Amino acid sequence: AQSVAQPEDQVNVAEGNPLTVKCTYSVSGNPYLFWYVQYPNRGLQFLLKYITGDNLVKGSYGFEAEFNKSQTSFHLKKPSALVSDSALYFCAVRRIQGTGFQKLVFGTGTRLLVSP
Amino acid sequence: EAGVTQFPSHSVIEKGQTVTLRCDPISGHDNLYWYRRVMGKEIKFLLHFVKESKQDESGMPNNRFLAERTGGTYSTLKVQPAELEDSGVYFCASSPSGSSYNEQFFGPGTRLTVL
Repeated sequence: AQSVAQPEDQVNVAEGNPLTVKCTYSVSGNPYLFWYVQYPNRGLQFLLKYITGDNLVKGSYGFEAEFNKSQTSFHLKKPSALVSDSALYFCAVRRIQGTGFQKLVFGTGTRLLVSP
Repeated sequence: EAGVTQFPSHSVIEKGQTVTLRCDPISGHDNLYWYRRVMGKEIKFLLHFVKESKQDESGMPNNRFLAERTGGTYSTLKVQPAELEDSGVYFCASSPSGSSYNEQFFGPGTRLTVL
């Protein structure tokens, strides 16, 4: 069965500093990996995805994520945090094929707090 | 292009009552998904429609939950009778068919509180 772990409930970073939100996953076979962000009173917004190819994936709002197969990780990064990046971030995985392969399996979410 | 919409945004009901949640996917999206997030935990898959057919309902918690997608457009999720543990945020998502790489587009969610 697939699973996602987001080990930090909250990440605090000062504006202008780099940020990392951690995610590790478990899935049989090759994974499709996603990051979503939820701003207050809003739905989940897609940030980026890894399907295949280059391990460094670039997404919306200057975010990027690095796929590391040996460590089964897909950490979200940004070189310089903004106060407006403060939100709840979810990592998700799904399988490429098989029964029920299209369902996303999410982590518990990490709250990012960027201070001015 | 309009996004995924959900109605209502909030619902407060008493234990034993019935509630129906509605989701309108992005026009033309054949795939429609329901997910639920309970009190600070992970977002969990409930079920997946392809057009009007249930493709995967492995996440439905019990027979108090009934999802429909008549005509392959909007979907409803009915909880009858509601229990305290059903409280949470119910998200709907949709995606187009034709590629298995497509990300899912989520609605704003319906916050359900069962008292």
